[in-house]
Amino acid sequence: DTAVSQTPKYLVTQMGNDKSIKCEQNLGHDTMYWYKQDSKKFLKIMFSYNNKELIINETVPNRFSPKSPDKAHLNLHINSLELGDSAVYFCASSQERQGNEKLFFGSGTQLSVL
Amino acid sequence: AQSVAQPEDQVNVAEGNPLTVKCTYSVSGNPYLFWYVQYPNRGLQFLLKYITGDNLVKGSYGFEAEFNKSQTSFHLKKPSALVSDSALYFCAVRPLLDSNYQLIWGAGTKLIIKP
Repeated sequence: DTAVSQTPKYLVTQMGNDKSIKCEQNLGHDTMYWYKQDSKKFLKIMFSYNNKELIINETVPNRFSPKSPDKAHLNLHINSLELGDSAVYFCASSQERQGNEKLFFGSGTQLSVL
Repeated sequence: AQSVAQPEDQVNVAEGNPLTVKCTYSVSGNPYLFWYVQYPNRGLQFLLKYITGDNLVKGSYGFEAEFNKSQTSFHLKKPSALVSDSALYFCAVRPLLDSNYQLIWGAGTKLIIKP
């Protein structure tokens, strides 16, 4: 079983559309994250949830809205998609936040906005 | 500002030779240090971490990293490179003073191992 799974793997859409990316982890972890990786492979944290509570909310347009229905799921909804949103989005999870825990990443969702 | 630097965008090594991927950091206080690897079209995978203790840390796939406090470095090493080691490597640092436990990521280094 895949530990952190996200769907879809590829997402091609037009500017202005609204789309969602789903993420599920079966590791029993308390914390989940969304990262954005741009075309130069630079990683940027977007959000972090701990036990369904938002704990990190970086400078991200409010068109991006995370939703955590339970601690095993963290979905990302994006409104009014723009060309600059094209990137690979990674979901990740970790155990309780002590600082030394490792992250487990999903395989990514490649978003292409046309 | 706190930062992590991976000074080389790309490192080329012949198979069988030792490899080093460099990482230096600038953070307040002592940090936790990590290396992750990203294979093409995959998510990142944890390789190793330094928390405390011995400066030489061993990790997955035969990799190791050496923590040098005076040089604020955490270089990734492997004695004998394999073609399958070709991937993108990320160094990450978590300052202990950050109550949000945020990771600071390097920009990544592409490692190419030639047969």
